[in-house]
Amino acid sequence: SAVISQKPSRDICQRGTSLTIQCQVDSQVTMMFWYRQQPGQSLTLIATANQGSEATYESGFVIDKFPISRPNLTFSTLTVSNMSPEDSSIYLCSVSGGRTEQYFGPGTRLTVT
Amino acid sequence: AQTVTQSQPEMSVQEAETVTLSCTYDTSENNYYLFWYKQPPSRQMILVIRQEAYKQQNATENRFSVNFQKAAKSFSLKISDSQLGDTAMYFCAYSTGTASKLTFGTGTRLQVTL
Repeated sequence: SAVISQKPSRDICQRGTSLTIQCQVDSQVTMMFWYRQQPGQSLTLIATANQGSEATYESGFVIDKFPISRPNLTFSTLTVSNMSPEDSSIYLCSVSGGRTEQYFGPGTRLTVT
Repeated sequence: AQTVTQSQPEMSVQEAETVTLSCTYDTSENNYYLFWYKQPPSRQMILVIRQEAYKQQNATENRFSVNFQKAAKSFSLKISDSQLGDTAMYFCAYSTGTASKLTFGTGTRLQVTL
């Protein structure tokens, strides 16, 4: 399985600001995914990031709010823009494991005040 | 759209006992994949077990096994010889393939007690 790291592990931000979350994988992967887990809730996919192409966003998520970069096969960033308290969540990146499973990073806990 | 339902928000089991977590799903696809993930308080999502829909044999991984009933669209997880380290949120998830997103259920919080 891939080893995935995320930075920062947690942050407290003021409303109206932006935060960029980094996801680093120890091997080259084609597909990376970004999920949001709101407090006490399940995981919801924000977008799929394929290297060399624009990210594909799920219904309810837009690029202006959650811009994603995927500059190479081991790295991706997710930015949460113009934050509000409703954006307080855990944000997780994952990668396809080569078969059909996905492996997850440790998550970034974001609190917006 | 595919949906995944976990009807047990919380469960408790004594150490060394067996517990079964329920999951049902809805899909019109014939080929798909089902997973159980564990999320301990550290919040790291850990893959517990996977099942391919085209396989009739139920998957097993050490103390973890599934009961996959394709016609009933049911996918339950059995944990045998429960250990304190099994305390976590357990999520059932569905996917249609390698490049496909995971659709998660709402989770079951499992508490293993002495």
